[in-house]
Amino acid sequence: GIQVEQSPPDLILQEGANSTLRCNFSDSVNNLQWFHQNPWGQLINLFYIPSGTKQNGRLSATTVATERYSLLYISSSQTTDSGVYFCAVRLQGAQKLVFGQGTRLTINP
Amino acid sequence: DAGVIQSPRHEVTEMGQEVTLRCKPISGHDYLFWYRQTMMRGLELLIYFNNNVPIDDSGMPEDRFSAKMPNASFSTLKIQPSEPRDSAVYFCASSLGKDRGRNQPQHFGDGTRLSIL
Repeated sequence: GIQVEQSPPDLILQEGANSTLRCNFSDSVNNLQWFHQNPWGQLINLFYIPSGTKQNGRLSATTVATERYSLLYISSSQTTDSGVYFCAVRLQGAQKLVFGQGTRLTINP
Repeated sequence: DAGVIQSPRHEVTEMGQEVTLRCKPISGHDYLFWYRQTMMRGLELLIYFNNNVPIDDSGMPEDRFSAKMPNASFSTLKIQPSEPRDSAVYFCASSLGKDRGRNQPQHFGDGTRLSIL
């Protein structure tokens, strides 16, 4: 099956820092989503980005489908950005999402 | 707009008991998914429905697990009998398969945290 690898597994930063999270996938996909799982366990949709670049406030994401990777950028980090960030992909012709193992981000004040 | 609604948010029960998790998808969505999150295996799909019909249940761990979708606005995931290793967070998600020919994202509920003692 498709492999989804996220890096780094853990990231600890000071408030105000910028960060880049990476997601590599092993096959062609027609859907890629980034989620933030907050400390209460909720999965928050950040981006639906099968290709191209999107921005939402301090967050932006880029997917290069032909090279099978996606990047999530967080600028001017805040303590509320802490949590686990998941990348999930869907294969061509399939419906289920396959999740990476996540990047745990800790933002210290 | 109401998102995907799951109940209960937390469930603690003793092994051997029947557990029923409930999900109300976003109105108009034609796909419904059940995922499970554990420390060991991460987030993985259990089963999904399209227009209330189960399409892929290959992720259901064993016969103790069953899922139904009697109508477009309600689904259940049942575990009978429950075991401690079933302890996990169970998420329900829904999506509109396509909108004007374009694939659509999945939207997740807040999850049910299940603890089997």
